[in-house]
Amino acid sequence: ILNVEQSPQSLHVQEGDSTNFTCSFPSSNFYALHWYRWETAKSPEALFVMTLNGDEKKKGRISATLNTKEGYSYLYIKGSQPEDSATYLCASTSGSARQLTFGSGTQLTVLP
Amino acid sequence: EAGVTQFPSHSVIEKGQTVTLRCDPISGHDNLYWYRRVMGKEIKFLLHFVKESKQDESGMPNNRFLAERTGGTYSTLKVQPAELEDSGVYFCASSQGAGGFVDTQYFGPGTRLTVL
Repeated sequence: ILNVEQSPQSLHVQEGDSTNFTCSFPSSNFYALHWYRWETAKSPEALFVMTLNGDEKKKGRISATLNTKEGYSYLYIKGSQPEDSATYLCASTSGSARQLTFGSGTQLTVLP
Repeated sequence: EAGVTQFPSHSVIEKGQTVTLRCDPISGHDNLYWYRRVMGKEIKFLLHFVKESKQDESGMPNNRFLAERTGGTYSTLKVQPAELEDSGVYFCASSQGAGGFVDTQYFGPGTRLTVL
């Protein structure tokens, strides 16, 4: 994998459903993986930063895992609510560069 | 604590005109980044300041783009002359710098630029 890739591109779920998305990133020279939540016209909100293989982070109903050896991260939302509707972005940093390399995002819509 | 602010929120200009975007980072943050999201594509890095110095400008598309951060506080990004393909959302982000490469970057709401 040369770029950061996210799947699915978009997702519709019913209120109360649990859901998850995938972020794949280059595993060579990997340094950190970032997850953001972004609502259009607002600032992307930082959710998690993870660096170590096997890292798991949790914030309320949202959690994330990291596998640096195979180059993927999962974001889980338990009991989705309409206010969880947003685009979820992942980004990696690698090598000596501090710049974030973003995926194209997963657009989540939670239907009431 | 105030977040990253950007001005203006929207700008509509004609091809060939000049536009200047401003970013005010979180107070005390040494690192300031500019990113751009062109319609339908991923957010892409433009450049990185550490205080007033350009650390990495490898993402700047061409010499029509000029970024400055005089005094190491706010930053401006000037596009002169603007072209149609410059349309997109320009994000600014800042980070403290104390966490090394694991710094969280805090984003502003972006400036939506439309070039007609």
